[in-house]
Amino acid sequence: DGGITQSPKYLFRKEGQNVTLSCEQNLNHDAMYWYRQDPGQGLRLIYYSQIVNDFQKGDIAEGYSVSREKKESFPLTVTSAQKNPTAFYLCASSGTPTNEKLFFGSGTQLSVL
Amino acid sequence: AQKVTQAQTEISVVEKEDVTLDCVYETRDTTYYLFWYKQPPSGELVFLIRRNSFDEQNEISGRYSWNFQKSTSSFNFTITASQVVDSAVYFCALPQRGQNFVFGPGTRLSVLP
Repeated sequence: DGGITQSPKYLFRKEGQNVTLSCEQNLNHDAMYWYRQDPGQGLRLIYYSQIVNDFQKGDIAEGYSVSREKKESFPLTVTSAQKNPTAFYLCASSGTPTNEKLFFGSGTQLSVL
Repeated sequence: AQKVTQAQTEISVVEKEDVTLDCVYETRDTTYYLFWYKQPPSGELVFLIRRNSFDEQNEISGRYSWNFQKSTSSFNFTITASQVVDSAVYFCALPQRGQNFVFGPGTRLSVLP
């Protein structure tokens, strides 16, 4: 079945450590996104990519980095510069053109030790 | 700038009651789409509906119905005869240019048996 796979489901980060969240899709979608969800808040865009080897900053990109070397994969690194990383992270993808619905992964809960 | 407001933070109903979730949006675009997503406890957002601003007809799908009123910039969602499985967080969303979506803060619906 086609879909988006995020791993791990739970992740713990130590002080000063970088961690990477995985996102893989087999939907043949061009566009991929990373969202952050905090309790009681909507989703906020971190980064998005419309094609391989290209990505754009979203509303809250500081302290995060991404890469898009393959169409299927869009990993997110939470760097030590992100001082408040505890949140639920959701990866999504969509086909083109604009206004197509988003398909979401099951999310990664990141917590700080 | 685009904005989506969901004034109801949490709603609790007893099973079989009808419930309406409100969504008010702001946009300067003359044509646009609106979306509703459901986030069950598992965490993955599930697409429910997409409506085009040209089409103001109400839509019904089983126990779900949507009331789109351009004059009041509202896109409300009604669940008829609610069930426990409807318990989730519901998000209204508005795409903006560049394929980014603006999400409302969500409404947490609890359906009690």
